[in-house]
This record gives sequence, structure tokens and C-alpha cells, in this order.
Amino acid sequence: GESVGLHLPTLSVQEGDNSIINCAYSNSASDYFIWYKQESGKGPQFIIDIRSNMDKRQGQRVTVLLNKTVKHLSLQIAATQPGDSAVYFCAENAGGTSYGKLTFGQGTILTVHP
Amino acid sequence: GAVVSQHPSWVICKSGTSVKIECRSLDFQATTMFWYRQFPKQSLMLMATSNEGSKATYEQGVEKDKFLINHASLTLSTLTVTSAHPEDSSFYICSAENGQGLDTDTQYFGPGTRLTVL
Repeated sequence: GESVGLHLPTLSVQEGDNSIINCAYSNSASDYFIWYKQESGKGPQFIIDIRSNMDKRQGQRVTVLLNKTVKHLSLQIAATQPGDSAVYFCAENAGGTSYGKLTFGQGTILTVHP
Repeated sequence: GAVVSQHPSWVICKSGTSVKIECRSLDFQATTMFWYRQFPKQSLMLMATSNEGSKATYEQGVEKDKFLINHASLTLSTLTVTSAHPEDSSFYICSAENGQGLDTDTQYFGPGTRLTVL
């Protein structure tokens, strides 16, 4: 059921700044990671992914960094725009018998001020 | 490409009634679809994995007799919430896995269905 008083981490930035959103994952067996953007009342939108044999991957205005040693994932958004305001989730896929199943992180609320 | 739709986008029903939610992959075939539930200000929680032509696999704590899943074709999965109660009110989201080509692991999400049980 719903947890009362749950607060998602928040990040507020000015338009044009770079944003860094962090995520700690739990399963050392996870071999595939994805960042999703979710706007209010909508489903998650794929942003970028990375496999465990890589430590960095770049897309358009976004970069994902993976540190397997400390089980940490980050999403960097360059020149953040007001349209980037949303909740951002990382997700991990453990592969193996759990192939295809994603475990989502708690999410971070990004607010971009014009 | 890789568009997933859900219908309805929102539904209000009385307690005790059943509600069916459809998830369709519009431009690709999805052998596997997933159903998630999301409460306000929380993350997505996987409810079940739906494979075309076979029984769904439910996550621990999810009642299979209450949340009936049918994956009758490669482009359609349905979730039926039976005998709905107010605590079932939530945002239900499906995803479909594109099993063709290089992005075999990528899940594409539907827009979600807001269920409110009175």
C-alpha cells in the first residue's frame, strides 16, 4: 500500500545548468541499467541505457555513468531545460532467471526554473 | 516506432465491480509484457510478467485471482482487477518488451491507466 509521508529526493536547477541525478542499485548481478523520465500522469519514457560492460554512454544531451564497484549509476543532463522537469527513475535488470524484469529505484524529482 | 497504448486512460468504478485494462503494442510484436502499479509519489512496482500464450508470472504478494492477466496475442495483454476495492485505486502501467532486433531488453511503457475505486 501507499507509504504516508514518503518524500522523493528533489533537485532544483536553473535553466541552462547541467543536472546530475544519482542512483544506487542493490543487485551486484544486475547487468543492464536504464534511465526513465516520467511526467505527471504519464508512463515512463526511455532516456538512455547502459550495459555492465561499459562505464559511460552518451546520448543527446544526456550521459549515463556506471560505477559497478560501488553500485552507483548517474544521469547527467546538459543544458537543462524547463521541459526536462519530471521524475527520473533508474531501473536495473538482473538478467539470468530474472531476464526482462526491471527493478525501479525510488525516483528523483527534477525541477528546472526558467 | 515502439509505441505502447493503454485503454482506458482513466476509469472510475464502484467497489465490488471488475475493471479491465488493455495494453497494446502498436508497431511491434511483444512476446513479453509487464504490469506495474504505482501509488502517488512512489516508484513503479512490478506486479506480473505476461507471456503470450502462457500463464502470467506474479510477483510475491500480488494476488493472481484478483489481478487476472491474459496475453492472448503478440500485441495485446489485459489486466482485470476483480472485485475492486478503494485500496486498489492506483496508476497501472504496462510495458512491452521488443524481442526483435538489437534492443531486445528495452521495455517500452504505456501511458498508464488511472483507476479510482469509490
